[in-house]
Amino acid sequence: AQSVAQPEDQVNVAEGNPLTVKCTYSVSGNPYLFWYVQYPNRGLQFLLKYITGDNLVKGSYGFEAEFNKSQTSFHLKKPSALVSDSALYFCAVGSGGYNKLIFGAGTRLAVHP
Amino acid sequence: SQTIHQWPATLVQPVGSPLSLECTVEGTSNPNLYWYRQAAGRGLQLLFYSIGIDQISSEVPQNLSASRPQDRQFILSSKKLLLSDSGFYLCAWSVPGVGGETQYFGPGTRLLVL
Repeated sequence: AQSVAQPEDQVNVAEGNPLTVKCTYSVSGNPYLFWYVQYPNRGLQFLLKYITGDNLVKGSYGFEAEFNKSQTSFHLKKPSALVSDSALYFCAVGSGGYNKLIFGAGTRLAVHP
Repeated sequence: SQTIHQWPATLVQPVGSPLSLECTVEGTSNPNLYWYRQAAGRGLQLLFYSIGIDQISSEVPQNLSASRPQDRQFILSSKKLLLSDSGFYLCAWSVPGVGGETQYFGPGTRLLVL
């Protein structure tokens, strides 16, 4: 069965510092991995995804994520955090057909001035 | 460009009343469509997905049903709401494919059952 774990409920970062939001996954077969961001009372916005190819994926708003097959991880990173990055971040995994995704519980990112 | 709409944005309903939430997609044909529920501002649970008109799969047995009467219209319904149906309901679409296609989400409907 597919599963996703986001081990941190909340991540606190000072503005200008690098940020990392962690995600690990479990699937049978090759994974499709996604990161989404959600602002209060809004739908989810797509940030980036890994399907195949280069392990380092670059996405919207300066975010990137690295696929690590041996560690089954897909951590989200940004070199310099902004206060406006404060939001709820979701990792999701899919495998095989039908495009069904399993979402993690979410990590709340708080960037302090 | 593609756009996804959901309405209403907010809904307060008494226990036992019926429910109908609507989702429509513009700018694409034959999309895959999805209904999710998000409880307490956290994880998303896939409720239904559809690969075509009248082709709907249920992921979780529950008090809800879904219908797709037109290619770009997806409706979430209930005959009698329960308190536990409260939550944030999100509709999403993706292009058809073999997996890995990005899902794009609508703005959501916040449902409060009293």
